[in-house]
Amino acid sequence: DTEVTQTPKHLVMGMTNKKSLKCEQHMGHRAMYWYKQKAKKPPELMFVYSYEKLSINESVPSRFSPECPNSSLLNLHLHALQPEDSALYLCASSQGLRFQLGETQYFGPGTRLLVL
Amino acid sequence: AQKITQTQPGMFVQEKEAVTLDCTYDTSDPSYGLFWYKQPSSGEMIFLIYQGSYDQQNATEGRYSLNFQKARKSANLVISASQLGDSAMYFCAMREGQGGSEKLVFGKGMKLTVNP
Repeated sequence: DTEVTQTPKHLVMGMTNKKSLKCEQHMGHRAMYWYKQKAKKPPELMFVYSYEKLSINESVPSRFSPECPNSSLLNLHLHALQPEDSALYLCASSQGLRFQLGETQYFGPGTRLLVL
Repeated sequence: AQKITQTQPGMFVQEKEAVTLDCTYDTSDPSYGLFWYKQPSSGEMIFLIYQGSYDQQNATEGRYSLNFQKARKSANLVISASQLGDSAMYFCAMREGQGGSEKLVFGKGMKLTVNP
């Protein structure tokens, strides 16, 4: 089973709202990732969690706040977003603590976010 | 500098025909991994195939095969017997980095349309 789930599938929020994106995997993977994908562009890495610890932050604005409550769950808390933050947010996971050679990242279906 | 190059913005193929999607890469690492992902309009990034730099044989997964030419730094995806459901965006990607900064870097992608 290579399933990564994400909720919600779609989210519309105002610039003053606070919302959260959720990601879950039950493959026993130890690394989890958040990506942002704008229309007609490739995914861009935002954060990497390695066994519940933040290991990579790609200089993401503080209005995006990741959280890893346990090794199966990954949240992305959103606050005071801008319209340009509207995008597809993808979660992924991979087996090892770090993205080892030979491993694969498996992605969830994504959350389509629209900021008004 | 762009590390993954996909020069074909879009391709059209007739159902049941084979199609080759081009990917060239740039790295100075002796060990690396190359991936192909499919992204339908629904948004999910679906893993298709992986090729390690030291793999002796070209990777194959069902109708997907990877034409890996290490000296040319190319990793083209071949889809045999195209199906209508193959219509999607296709991304070539490479694992890069070391020492805790390992990540997946994507090319710009290309859109494949399979015609009946």
